[in-house]
Amino acid sequence: TQLLEQSPQFLSIQEGENLTVYCNSSSVFSSLQWYRQEPGEGPVLLVTVVTGGEVKKLKRLTFQFGDARKDSSLHITAAQPGDTGLYLCAGATGGFKTIFGAGTRLFVKA
Amino acid sequence: SAVISQKPSRDICQRGTSLTIQCQVDSQVTMMFWYRQQPGQSLTLIATANQGSEATYESGFVIDKFPISRPNLTFSTLTVSNMSPEDSSIYLCSAPGQGAYNEQFFGPGTRLTVL
Repeated sequence: TQLLEQSPQFLSIQEGENLTVYCNSSSVFSSLQWYRQEPGEGPVLLVTVVTGGEVKKLKRLTFQFGDARKDSSLHITAAQPGDTGLYLCAGATGGFKTIFGAGTRLFVKA
Repeated sequence: SAVISQKPSRDICQRGTSLTIQCQVDSQVTMMFWYRQQPGQSLTLIATANQGSEATYESGFVIDKFPISRPNLTFSTLTVSNMSPEDSSIYLCSAPGQGAYNEQFFGPGTRLTVL
């Protein structure tokens, strides 16, 4: 069974701090997505990483795909209250099936 | 990107009854997906709904409990049958994007509480 493990599960930080969320697996993924979900809404796609070692930036968010395509990280610089939400990594397992990590719940205090 | 709507947004139901959730996509898509998200947890795929054929269910989910319809390329329904409190959850539908990398677009979800 393919699993995606995310850490930490919960993070509460002050505005302006930096943080990193990790997504790890023993399986290789053809692509990996990061989503953010806010209360009462569905997950919203942030980024897709495809190539081993790839780094993508989205404003203050930096996403990295591991060289072996088994892991990924999300780094947020100078977090803001608007970054609060549930961050989910998701891996493509073949065809259109996707497995989701357990999620990291981030709370940024003003 | 696809815009997906769901109805109802939330409901409170009695044990033993059934609820049908509707999912509408603003463009034609071959596949639609139904997920369950239990409180504080991640997404678990219930089934893949294909137009013109029966839905494909994941392990632990059966058609008698979660019948799915897919009458056309923009619409699907999921019914939660004979509900129990353990069915209380958020139910989400999604559709794949146009890209080649399994990106999905999600509806806002239906929050179901079973008493």
